[in-house]
Amino acid sequence: EPEVTQTPSHQVTQMGQEVILRCVPISNHLYFYWYRQILGQKVEFLVSFYNNEISEKSEIFDDQFSVERPDGSNFTLKIRSTKLEDSAMYFCASSKQVDYGYTFGSGTRLTVV
Amino acid sequence: GDSVTQMEGPVTLSEEAFLTINCTYTATGYPSLFWYVQYPGEGLQLLLKATKADDKGSNKGFEATYRKETTSFHLEKGSVQVSDSAVYFCALSDGVTGFQKLVFGTGTRLLVSP
Repeated sequence: EPEVTQTPSHQVTQMGQEVILRCVPISNHLYFYWYRQILGQKVEFLVSFYNNEISEKSEIFDDQFSVERPDGSNFTLKIRSTKLEDSAMYFCASSKQVDYGYTFGSGTRLTVV
Repeated sequence: GDSVTQMEGPVTLSEEAFLTINCTYTATGYPSLFWYVQYPGEGLQLLLKATKADDKGSNKGFEATYRKETTSFHLEKGSVQVSDSAVYFCALSDGVTGFQKLVFGTGTRLLVSP
């Protein structure tokens, strides 16, 4: 069964550093998403991406965040200057059509120290 | 805005017991409803979904019925197994913007003992 692949599975970074989280969505999917889950809290929407542009973003997704699909297969989330409160599990997801359920990746646990 | 409310956990059951996890929602339109499951150390997996009122989603012995009149989508299973221990998330998608942004509940942890 096709999978969404996320790398790395765990990343530790110092406060103020830039991090890039990587995702390889399912090849024939057209819609891409990032969500995050702070430990013990609910899963929160960050951003959706379609046709090489952001289609919707949440209040969390401020100027410190950016997304990119650099080569037609990867989908990345960049955090420019990490803060302690960015520590969370970040999930990438993709879907084929808007009325399909997503396929989520297994997540990247980001720890900011 | 749209929201999802789930029962607090953890829910602790013995193997073969009946499971209900309550979920209610608030939405302005006609959302699609989902249950996702997160096993320890893993990502979110779609368990089942329902896209319109009175639809019943089912998978792996779990089922949930979309009840518009009570704005509910309770998850049930007749006989749980130890392997069902996980966190269960109820979610909705309103699709108003044409994109399927999911709004999640806080999750309910299920612990099943032998």
